[in-house]
Amino acid sequence: DTAVSQTPKYLVTQMGNDKSIKCEQNLGHDTMYWYKQDSKKFLKIMFSYNNKELIINETVPNRFSPKSPDKAHLNLHINSLELGDSAVYFCASSQTGLNTEAFFGQGTRLTVV
Amino acid sequence: SQQGEEDPQALSIQEGENATMNCSYKTSINNLQWYRQNSGRGLVHLILIRSNEREKHSGRLRVTLDTSKKSSSLLITASRAADTASYFCATDEGGANSKLTFGKGITLSVRP
Repeated sequence: DTAVSQTPKYLVTQMGNDKSIKCEQNLGHDTMYWYKQDSKKFLKIMFSYNNKELIINETVPNRFSPKSPDKAHLNLHINSLELGDSAVYFCASSQTGLNTEAFFGQGTRLTVV
Repeated sequence: SQQGEEDPQALSIQEGENATMNCSYKTSINNLQWYRQNSGRGLVHLILIRSNEREKHSGRLRVTLDTSKKSSSLLITASRAADTASYFCATDEGGANSKLTFGKGITLSVRP
């Protein structure tokens, strides 16, 4: 069973479209994250949710709207896609507490054309 | 903002050799973690070292942490072709809004 799964794995879309990426974790963790990895492999946190509450929003454009229907799911909706949104988006989860590791999904490669 | 800075950015070694990767960071931390990313895949946790620890081992991995110098090193002994991947250090400052802040990563190539 995959611990953190995100869909789709690849997403190619035109500028201006709206798209969503889904993420689910079956680890029973209470915290979930979205990270963006750019073409130079730099990973930057976008959002984190704890028990469905937004905890971190790292100055991400408001075209990006995360939604957490329950603590096992954290979806990412992106409006009015731009060329600069092309990247690999990773979902991750962890359990609140000191010294815990994060578990990552396989990533969604988003290409905006 | 970026926290960890790894060096070298790229490392190419022969199978059987040891690989040493370094990471420096800027702020106080609760722990430091190393992750591996195979091409086209997600990140996999390798090892976590707490701020009050100086060295930790896990199989062929050895991690050191020097909080006075704000640096860490990851040593992979007796490298294998399958160790070819990107390696990232990530720091966790702890606190209510705990998050991992990643460095730019090191690309390790192990030649068979």
